[in-house]
Amino acid sequence: EAGVVQSPRYKIIEKKQPVAFWCNPISGHNTLYWYLQNLGQGPELLIRYENEEAVDDSQLPKDRFSAERLKGVDSTLKIQPAELGDSAVYLCASSLGRQVNEQFFGPGTRLTVL
Amino acid sequence: GQQVMQIPQYQHVQEGEDFTTYCNSSTTLSNIQWYKQRPGGHPVFLIQLVKSGEVKKQKRLTFQFGEAKKNSSLHITATQTTDVGTYFCAGQRDSNYQLIWGAGTKLIIKP
Repeated sequence: EAGVVQSPRYKIIEKKQPVAFWCNPISGHNTLYWYLQNLGQGPELLIRYENEEAVDDSQLPKDRFSAERLKGVDSTLKIQPAELGDSAVYLCASSLGRQVNEQFFGPGTRLTVL
Repeated sequence: GQQVMQIPQYQHVQEGEDFTTYCNSSTTLSNIQWYKQRPGGHPVFLIQLVKSGEVKKQKRLTFQFGEAKKNSSLHITATQTTDVGTYFCAGQRDSNYQLIWGAGTKLIIKP
């Protein structure tokens, strides 16, 4: 079974540029999560989807971040414009459902904003 | 807001020594999960604890969930080099199913 797929693995951009990350969860997983992880810290939830509905986006900086999961399968996370402080690893995870808690993580996208 | 505090931040051990990390929540949790993240890798699920006072073992790893469902611990007996990494706890509340992550404890094996 394929795991959670993320692309790109690495991205280097200049500040004020836009950037997008893509995630394809494990087949059949209804719940999808986007996390941000800074070095030496735990993952911080940005947004959680149940199928195509964003059910928890309270931590998403909506002035510059947006996400979508149009068909309830794969998802994109966008930052526009990027700031220096956005440099981090962006992790996507999926689970069968909100009450089936084991989360499977993708390899992450390491973003560097110069 | 709700927090999950995890200590210590780092633990240096000689290979063969034991390792323990502790998590404490400010509120009662419905369950707590533990994940391991190897250097340069992504978090990998280890276990979930649901019941008050629950104890689960995986080979040399022992996981406990407190009676009040506010604290948890992970204990590794006789550490090996393969145990190196950062161990995270993540607590969940029933009300919104959100996982609150601890900051992690990094296990370092002394050369």
